[in-house]
Amino acid sequence: DAKTTQPTSMDCAEGRAANLPCNHSTISGNEYVYWYRQIHSQGPQYIIHGLKNNETNEMASLIITEDRKSSTLILPHATLRDTAVYYCIVRLNTGTASKLTFGTGTRLQVTL
Amino acid sequence: NAGVMQNPRHLVRRRGQEARLRCSPMKGHSHVYWYRQLPEEGLKFMVYLQKENIIDESGMPKERFSAEFPKEGPSILRIQQVVRGDSAAYFCASSPPGLADTQYFGPGTRLTVL
Repeated sequence: DAKTTQPTSMDCAEGRAANLPCNHSTISGNEYVYWYRQIHSQGPQYIIHGLKNNETNEMASLIITEDRKSSTLILPHATLRDTAVYYCIVRLNTGTASKLTFGTGTRLQVTL
Repeated sequence: NAGVMQNPRHLVRRRGQEARLRCSPMKGHSHVYWYRQLPEEGLKFMVYLQKENIIDESGMPKERFSAEFPKEGPSILRIQQVVRGDSAAYFCASSPPGLADTQYFGPGTRLTVL
């Protein structure tokens, strides 16, 4: 699996967009970018995933650069409840289920 | 559709006792994964199971730990002769067949070994 690099921590004011970067310079052509988050003491929560096109759902948007070596998760209007550790994970998606490898993630603190 | 269910949510055991953690996957999901999170550390994969089969146990400690996912009933993670170092949060995730890596996690079981 391609390794990912994320900032250790970030702050964001409530109501503003939170932009969380992830570098995955060794990603291969058939690897997807997945984002999960873990709110304190809870189980990880799936957010979004993509291959090369930008993706949007009710939770967030995922912007993947054209060379696919980096991506950004965007929470358009952050709230206090978005305070969590966010994990960027790069994985093959062959249709065969397999483990997720979590790194250290980015600790996002949303403030008033 | 109920999410992944885990019980108990909190479990206290004394050193040397056995711990049994249960996981009921989401309806229609046939893949179950167990992860462990030690205090102040990240999530680490332990084992991946399908019904009646262990697919990948590369993250399981070699001794005292076992897992099963029987044809009927929940998946069980069993820890024999627990030690203080086993104190952690144990998370179960499930995914439907054919959708690799869209795993949905349960709330976890917090094991405390006295």
